[in-house]
Amino acid sequence: DGGITQSPKYLFRKEGQNVTLSCEQNLNHDAMYWYRQDPGQGLRLIYYSQIVNDFQKGDIAEGYSVSREKKESFPLTVTSAQKNPTAFYLCASSPRVTGELFFGEGSRLTVL
Amino acid sequence: GIQVEQSPPDLILQEGANSTLRCNFSDSVNNLQWFHQNPWGQLINLFYIPSGTKQNGRLSATTVATERYSLLYISSSQTTDSGVYFCASNYGGSQGNLIFGKGTKLSVKP
Repeated sequence: DGGITQSPKYLFRKEGQNVTLSCEQNLNHDAMYWYRQDPGQGLRLIYYSQIVNDFQKGDIAEGYSVSREKKESFPLTVTSAQKNPTAFYLCASSPRVTGELFFGEGSRLTVL
Repeated sequence: GIQVEQSPPDLILQEGANSTLRCNFSDSVNNLQWFHQNPWGQLINLFYIPSGTKQNGRLSATTVATERYSLLYISSSQTTDSGVYFCASNYGGSQGNLIFGKGTKLSVKP
């Protein structure tokens, strides 16, 4: 089935550690996105990529990094520089023409 | 940038009731989507509706772009409709860069 796969679904890390969240899509979408959601809040854009080997910062990029080496994959690294990393992270993709977003199931990160 | 405001923030319904959720946006847009976030956190696409009216079963949506609002109608609500409903609208050059409202939390009681 076509879709967006995020892993892991749950992740715990100690302060000071980097962690990488995986996002893979087989929808043949050009664009991919990472959003962050905090409890009781809407989603905020971290990074997005409209084409392979290119990506742009969103509203809250500090403390995060991404890469886009393949069309299907857009991993997100939460670095130790991110001051409040505990959150729900959602990956999305869209066809470039319409921009209609489709989301994965999310990854819940907890920093201990 | 674009502001997206949703109302009401919370809504409690008896099963079988109808409801209307509203989304106001502050600037002209060419991408407007409605999502349902289920209790497990997954965001489900409901409608991609930059303008006009669409229907899907008990749900329908209308966007009046010239007046900068969109409405989501839920008829004959069911307990499985519970969750948070988000509208989102784009900004900037990329159509997919969406700004999300804070959501409407819907609870449908049996």
